[in-house]
Amino acid sequence: DIVMTQSPDSLAVSLGERATINCKSSQNVLNSSTNKSYLAWYQQIPGQPPKLLISWASARESGVPDRFSGSGSGTDFTLTISSLQAEDVAVYYCQQFYVTPLTFGGGTKVEIK
Amino acid sequence: QVQLQESGPGLVKTSETLSLTCSVSGGSINRKYWSWIRQPPGKGLEWIGYVYSNGGAGYNPSLRSRVTISVDSSKEQFSLTLHSVTAADTAVYYCASNEVAGTFFGYFQHWAQGTLVTVAS
Repeated sequence: DIVMTQSPDSLAVSLGERATINCKSSQNVLNSSTNKSYLAWYQQIPGQPPKLLISWASARESGVPDRFSGSGSGTDFTLTISSLQAEDVAVYYCQQFYVTPLTFGGGTKVEIK
Repeated sequence: QVQLQESGPGLVKTSETLSLTCSVSGGSINRKYWSWIRQPPGKGLEWIGYVYSNGGAGYNPSLRSRVTISVDSSKEQFSLTLHSVTAADTAVYYCASNEVAGTFFGYFQHWAQGTLVTVAS
């Protein structure tokens, strides 16, 4: 199985400041023929199901605010919230969909400082 | 916009069988892949497996010996069966799907609200 490791486990950021979450896969999730990394990011607010923010490492879903951005390729990925808003308090998960079994990172809890 | 809704018992006895159904509305079940994912209380997400609209399925090896995912296209439903449950199977169970037809891309745009299943004696 591909192991997804997120860091940090939690972070507290002031409103309007940048939040950065890292995700590392134990194996390459880049398809070299398409040059696409099979990596998604989700936001989970307590009591709700996860919400897809980004697929293919950097493709933002329709309706997701542009303060959310994804970057990286291969084994190292980053989710950035450029200007943290109160409604962004949540747990964020990365997930690889390169191979089955699909696997998720352990989550990063984002709070307001 | 596809909407998903799980149904099934919230309490299952140890060693018995967990059965959940996911109803699909707002779109066709045909030519799509449909997954189950679970989340133990306070913990992370675990993919259980998928079923295609023709009945073909794939499972997480960690659960393969105990799980079956099936589809009833006529009812626009798919189902999860998990045998010989223990307390470790206590979790919120989600059904989820992707918009892409005909190809399994394992990221999920659509999620049901989730249903908590507790395993207890």
